[in-house]
Amino acid sequence: SQQGEEDPQALSIQEGENATMNCSYKTSINNLQWYRQNSGRGLVHLILIRSNEREKHSGRLRVTLDTSKKSSSLLITASRAADTASYFCATAEFSGGYNKLIFGAGTRLAVHP
Amino acid sequence: EAQVTQNPRYLITVTGKKLTVTCSQNMNHEYMSWYRQDPGLGLRQIYYSMNVEVTDKGDVPEGYKVSRKEKRNFPLILESPSPNQTSLYFCASSLNGGVNTEAFFGQGTRLTVV
Repeated sequence: SQQGEEDPQALSIQEGENATMNCSYKTSINNLQWYRQNSGRGLVHLILIRSNEREKHSGRLRVTLDTSKKSSSLLITASRAADTASYFCATAEFSGGYNKLIFGAGTRLAVHP
Repeated sequence: EAQVTQNPRYLITVTGKKLTVTCSQNMNHEYMSWYRQDPGLGLRQIYYSMNVEVTDKGDVPEGYKVSRKEKRNFPLILESPSPNQTSLYFCASSLNGGVNTEAFFGQGTRLTVV
């Protein structure tokens, strides 16, 4: 089952601009996480926001969570070429008797120098 | 250094030839899982394990087997690989399946079945 859906599927910006990616999900969650994947490599955890939190910051990253709308956004400020990667949201839910992370299809971000 | 190690990174095999992809973690995590990643589909969970000798099916388990004899290792077994199992595979581990903790991923195994 695929819970998180990222929007847009692809984003192309210039260095220095901000990048905003959105994630929508369907069911109740324990937390929502964002991961980054450089081309063909493993996912790296960026930030976790709990269901009772509304906003969280980590360096140039800002994540918001709106549980009433079942949506989250990831903002990368002052983007750099090194931010070029795919970004995935993952929702943590208790389903079928166990905890699991469910990933969306991701947003491909290209930052041009 | 905390890490999840998968081997091999790349594998080309023929239909029907049994193969095993190994996964090992050094963080004493109880929870481990396997995902496959296909274009446009994100990551889909194949199998997971909540502890030693405890495994269960994820969303796409058909054609795969796993075992968890030791806490640190969680191999993925394809008894009779088919071309539709050509994919990028990731092993991940975490303290409790993602409840308020992050998951750590291996570098991936790109499998091609011809």
